[in-house]
Amino acid sequence: DIQMTQSPSSLSASVGDRVTITCRASQDMSNSLAWYQQKPGKAPKVLVYAASRLESGVPSRFSGSRSGTDYTLTISSLQPEDFATYYCKQYYTTPWTFGQGSKLEIK
Amino acid sequence: QVQLVQSGAEVKKPGSSVKVSCRASGGTFSDYGLSWVRQAPGQGLEWMGRIIPFVDITNYAHNLLGRVTITADKSTSTAYMELSSLRSEDTAVYYCASDLLTAAGSLEYWGQGTLVTVS
Repeated sequence: DIQMTQSPSSLSASVGDRVTITCRASQDMSNSLAWYQQKPGKAPKVLVYAASRLESGVPSRFSGSRSGTDYTLTISSLQPEDFATYYCKQYYTTPWTFGQGSKLEIK
Repeated sequence: QVQLVQSGAEVKKPGSSVKVSCRASGGTFSDYGLSWVRQAPGQGLEWMGRIIPFVDITNYAHNLLGRVTITADKSTSTAYMELSSLRSEDTAVYYCASDLLTAAGSLEYWGQGTLVTVS
């Protein structure tokens, strides 16, 4: 199975801050990675797929990138509605696997 | 716009089985794969498995092999997830989610979640 190591597990930030969350894959995955946002009591919502493609309707302050086996989600200027938990997920091979999650809280 | 509607909450005894349904509407059922993802209380997301109804191919998480079965009824555009030999650690919210086969892997649409309590 491909292991996804996500960091940090939690972070505090302020509105307007730039935030990055990283997932490191245990092997090459050729951009087969998606990022999800989940708010309490709600189903997850896909933000980014294919490592860097923004899902339709997702604000442009969200972006994804890749460097080798490291994948990064960046939020360029945090908005109040962005405080949530974020997960990466690889779909290069089954079983698909999620990262452990990163909880983004208001400072 | 695809809508996924799941069956209601369940309370089960340890050792029993549960079967959760996920009915799709608003899209062409054969254009999608359907995954099941669960989330234990206060924990992260766990992918359980997926079915491609068009060709009836399934894949499962290795730690659930032998206990989970995912099926689909193309006539009613409904997917099912059955989990057997339930234990307390299976208490979770279970979600179905779909990915368009031409953009496989991006779980774009999600059901509302079904709480399964094993007690």
